[in-house]
Amino acid sequence: GNSVTQMEGPVTLSEEAFLTINCTYTATGYPSLFWYVQYPGEGLQLLLKATKADDKGSNKGFEATYRKETTSFHLEKGSVQVSDSAVYFCALTLIYNQGGKLIFGQGTELSVKP
Amino acid sequence: EAGVAQSPRYKIIEKRQSVAFWCNPISGHATLYWYQQILGQGPKLLIQFQNNGVVDDSQLPKDRFSAERLKGVDSTLKIQPAKLEDSAVYLCASSIRTSGQETQYFGPGTRLLVL
Repeated sequence: GNSVTQMEGPVTLSEEAFLTINCTYTATGYPSLFWYVQYPGEGLQLLLKATKADDKGSNKGFEATYRKETTSFHLEKGSVQVSDSAVYFCALTLIYNQGGKLIFGQGTELSVKP
Repeated sequence: EAGVAQSPRYKIIEKRQSVAFWCNPISGHATLYWYQQILGQGPKLLIQFQNNGVVDDSQLPKDRFSAERLKGVDSTLKIQPAKLEDSAVYLCASSIRTSGQETQYFGPGTRLLVL
């Protein structure tokens, strides 16, 4: 079946540290891949996306590259801030251009200390 | 532009009671989704509407859950009777196609606690 696996959390970093959150997927067909972020008390917000192999999504200093050969979409940021503290969800969909359900990983909580 | 609205934000009920959640999607968004997010897990789709028709309800526990989207705008999700394992955050999302692609926008969610 189709699924997403994320690295376990919580992840605790100091401000300005480098961030990597691993995400791998299993999918039939050619998925589109997403990272969503959930700040405390708020709904999910789209952080970035990639719709085909080798695409790089980027936003707010975060980046992720769609790697078909390793079925991965790892999230990276060169220098995290306290305001980046949130839960990050990797997700896929198989019918991007037609609208389709998102399949989420379990989420990774990030805590950034000053 | 107003986002996806949901109410109530919090609800506490006892098991076997009934509860209803309401969602108002972003104006003009044809597709509406209800997701269930259990603590420590990612959201899982319960039901997807395209206008007022159901596209996917394969993961909806139909013996106790029901949903409708009258006139293709607002939607309600009902649980009757509730069980302890229904404690979760219920997320509504809507989407629209632009430049051949769709992005889902999520509401703040309704946090349900079943005692």
